[in-house]
Amino acid sequence: SAVISQKPSRDICQRGTSLTIQCQVDSQVTMMFWYRQQPGQSLTLIATANQGSEATYESGFVIDKFPISRPNLTFSTLTVSNMSPEDSSIYLCSVDLYLLRQGGSYNEQFFGPGTRLTVL
Amino acid sequence: AQSVAQPEDQVNVAEGNPLTVKCTYSVSGNPYLFWYVQYPNRGLQFLLKYITGDNLVKGSYGFEAEFNKSQTSFHLKKPSALVSDSALYFCAVRDLYNFNKFYFGSGTKLNVKP
Repeated sequence: SAVISQKPSRDICQRGTSLTIQCQVDSQVTMMFWYRQQPGQSLTLIATANQGSEATYESGFVIDKFPISRPNLTFSTLTVSNMSPEDSSIYLCSVDLYLLRQGGSYNEQFFGPGTRLTVL
Repeated sequence: AQSVAQPEDQVNVAEGNPLTVKCTYSVSGNPYLFWYVQYPNRGLQFLLKYITGDNLVKGSYGFEAEFNKSQTSFHLKKPSALVSDSALYFCAVRDLYNFNKFYFGSGTKLNVKP
């Protein structure tokens, strides 16, 4: 399995500022993922971050607004830039691991605890 | 395109009673289906998955889910609910063409009352 930590766990920010969220994994992974969970809604994938290449963004998300870094195989950051109240969400990072079990092998996705962002 | 739907925003059940949280799916091939649980101020935790094989899948904390191809459903069940099961439950499906991508349902809040 994977243990994922995120910093900060929560923050309250002013409109127009930027916040960088850190995600640390206890094992080396090729891909890391960033999700947004808006209040009362489901999770939406923002981007996939591969180590050594630029992140791949989903429709509706752009690099200027959500720049991502992936300096090594255990760490990634997501920056929420020029924030507005509409950016108030929980931001989660996740990793996908290929697990070998007695009953078979499969991919499983693990999630961090999330960063709860409130923009005033 | 792949998608899942959770028709109930909230499910209320008394402790000790059986619970069902509904999920239906729409996929263009064989579905890879998952259930996750989110406790307050916590990340998502994996409960169980269906990839292939037996239609009844057993997972963590006594939960199980039944894959029904004819009804395109993957309902989450537990024979006897606990107050500690109260949480937000998400059904999800993997994208068959971008295997690392998940599509999540809207979530169902489960309230188990003592």
